[in-house]
Amino acid sequence: TAGITQAPTSQILAAGRSMTLRCTQDMRHNAMYWYRQDLGLGLRLIHYSNTAGTTGKGEVPDGYSVSRANTDDFPLTLASAVPSQTSVYFCASSEGPQATQYFGPGTRLTVL
Amino acid sequence: GQNIDQPTEMTATEGAIVQINCTYQTSGFNGLFWYQQHAGEAPTFLSYNVLDGLEEKGRFSSFLSRSKGYSYLLLKELQMKDSASYLCAVRDSNYQLIWGAGTKLIIKP
Repeated sequence: TAGITQAPTSQILAAGRSMTLRCTQDMRHNAMYWYRQDLGLGLRLIHYSNTAGTTGKGEVPDGYSVSRANTDDFPLTLASAVPSQTSVYFCASSEGPQATQYFGPGTRLTVL
Repeated sequence: GQNIDQPTEMTATEGAIVQINCTYQTSGFNGLFWYQQHAGEAPTFLSYNVLDGLEEKGRFSSFLSRSKGYSYLLLKELQMKDSASYLCAVRDSNYQLIWGAGTKLIIKP
């Protein structure tokens, strides 16, 4: 199985532009997560969804929005990108909020 | 505040044993995870501890002491492919994972 896929693999974006990072899982996991990973820092949770139709804010939600219209997809949108959003973004999923999380390959985003 | 501490970098020799420590202070505790992350790749799950003691899985073992807020990951018979970052994460009272910055392990021949 594919597990979790993310697109694009990498992107360079001009400041002020909008962008949607895509995440799809085929494991029928209920819970999904978006993290950002920056050098010298631990993974930081941006938004999460415990089940389709619900979302919640993580540690660093400002400037980001998510939706969870179905079980498989969990897109992350940057409405107006800023250089501080330059990072590697990982999507993850788990059977439930208390289960082990499994990660997608990541999207490397550079905002100039 | 919540805090996870791990050494930034460690070096070990192929075939040897290395112990990577993790100390934590979190609002509640619902388990501790270790993940491995090769450069440029996604984190992959290694182990999970929720009760005190040692969990062994092949060459890798993970230990937890909840009273001390302490865990370690023990890697035996090191191989070059074990060169990676090792991430410690604690699930807090809200069932969210709080992550350490990771320990970069360098294996020398």
